[in-house]
Amino acid sequence: EDQVTQSPEALRLQEGESSSLNCSYTVSGLRGLFWYRQDPGKGPEFLFTLYSAGEEKEKERLKATLTKKESFLHITAPKPEDSATYLCAVQAAAAGNKLTFGGGTRVLVKP
Amino acid sequence: DVKVTQSSRYLVKRTGEKVFLECVQDMDHENMFWYRQDPGLGLRLIYFSYDVKMKEKGDIPEGYSVSREKKERFSLILESASTNQTSMYLCASTRGPNYEQYFGPGTRLTVT
Repeated sequence: EDQVTQSPEALRLQEGESSSLNCSYTVSGLRGLFWYRQDPGKGPEFLFTLYSAGEEKEKERLKATLTKKESFLHITAPKPEDSATYLCAVQAAAAGNKLTFGGGTRVLVKP
Repeated sequence: DVKVTQSSRYLVKRTGEKVFLECVQDMDHENMFWYRQDPGLGLRLIYFSYDVKMKEKGDIPEGYSVSREKKERFSLILESASTNQTSMYLCASTRGPNYEQYFGPGTRLTVT
């Protein structure tokens, strides 16, 4: 069974204080790993897809990396507007279009 | 700009009522999904559809059914709403495997 575990569950940061979120996964043949951002009361917003170990993607203050067992979302010099829940999901090769989601990490960036 | 819309942002229904949640996407995607999201349980897949009139059960299909009569529209039906179906319902669509899913804004359903 495919499993995704995100840590920590919650993260409080001061503005400018860089940190990393972890997404550990167990999947039979990874087709892709997806990161989403979700604001309270809204649908998830797509951020990145990573397909193979060693791959990295960047967008503004966010950088996602992938190994064979986990992915990290690095937030560099965060701003209050980066406050959100960040979700990680995996797609297994045998799962077609289906995604398995982790529980998310709630990030609060204080000014 | 891709867009997935859902018929209601907030909905309050009584136990036993039949409830329809509608989702429309304008990206010509073949694949559409319905999830529910609950605190502590994360996003769970209810049903999905690979094509018009095609449907597949997800992880928690009990108490739900779906309809896909047109490519752009995917409906979730609660035949007889119960209080344990109070949740945030999210619709998504995707071009296919390897591609990201795009989500709608969600419908917060309360069953009293």
